[in-house]
Amino acid sequence: GENVEQHPSTLSVQEGDSAVIKCTYSDSASNYFPWYKQELGKRPQLIIDIRSNVGEKKDQRIAVTLNKTAKHFSLHITETQPEDSAVYFCAASTSKIIFGSGTRLSIRP
Amino acid sequence: DAGVIQSPRHEVTEMGQEVTLRCKPISGHDYLFWYRQTMMRGLELLIYFNNNVPIDDSGMPEDRFSAKMPNASFSTLKIQPSEPRDSAVYFCASSGRLAGGSYNEQFFGPGTRLTVL
Repeated sequence: GENVEQHPSTLSVQEGDSAVIKCTYSDSASNYFPWYKQELGKRPQLIIDIRSNVGEKKDQRIAVTLNKTAKHFSLHITETQPEDSAVYFCAASTSKIIFGSGTRLSIRP
Repeated sequence: DAGVIQSPRHEVTEMGQEVTLRCKPISGHDYLFWYRQTMMRGLELLIYFNNNVPIDDSGMPEDRFSAKMPNASFSTLKIQPSEPRDSAVYFCASSGRLAGGSYNEQFFGPGTRLTVL
């Protein structure tokens, strides 16, 4: 069935360094790839998304890349700050959306 | 717009009792999703509706779970009878679909934290 795998499950980086989270998807028909950030005790919120006709998208310190051939997509956060600490979910959608298992990102001061 | 509204925010009940969770999507959105989130299983899609019609309920864990959407502004998720393993945070989300059939951002409600004793 459709599946989205996300790695790593936990990630700790020094403040100011970069963080990278990677996802793979199984359904080659997937055409929309959102990333959600969930702070402790709160709801998931969209931080960036990319569609299958685009290879890369950037919004300030956040960027997402998509490799349709390999069925990989990644989230890059540069110059990390304490407020980036949260759980991040990738997702892929065709007729329905499938979420990855999440990455708990911790920023060390 | 107030965003997606869910009620109650917290529910504590005893095993065997019926639980009803409620959701009001963002006005104009034609997709509504119900999710369950636990530490063990992460964020799971239970069911989603398009124009009030259930499209995919393959994520509904068992017959004890049912969901309805009687109109464009209201949906319920019911668990009867509830069991301790149903304890989780249940999120409702809504979205609109872009022209051409492409998906758009899902907006999540604040969630209902359910505890079944």
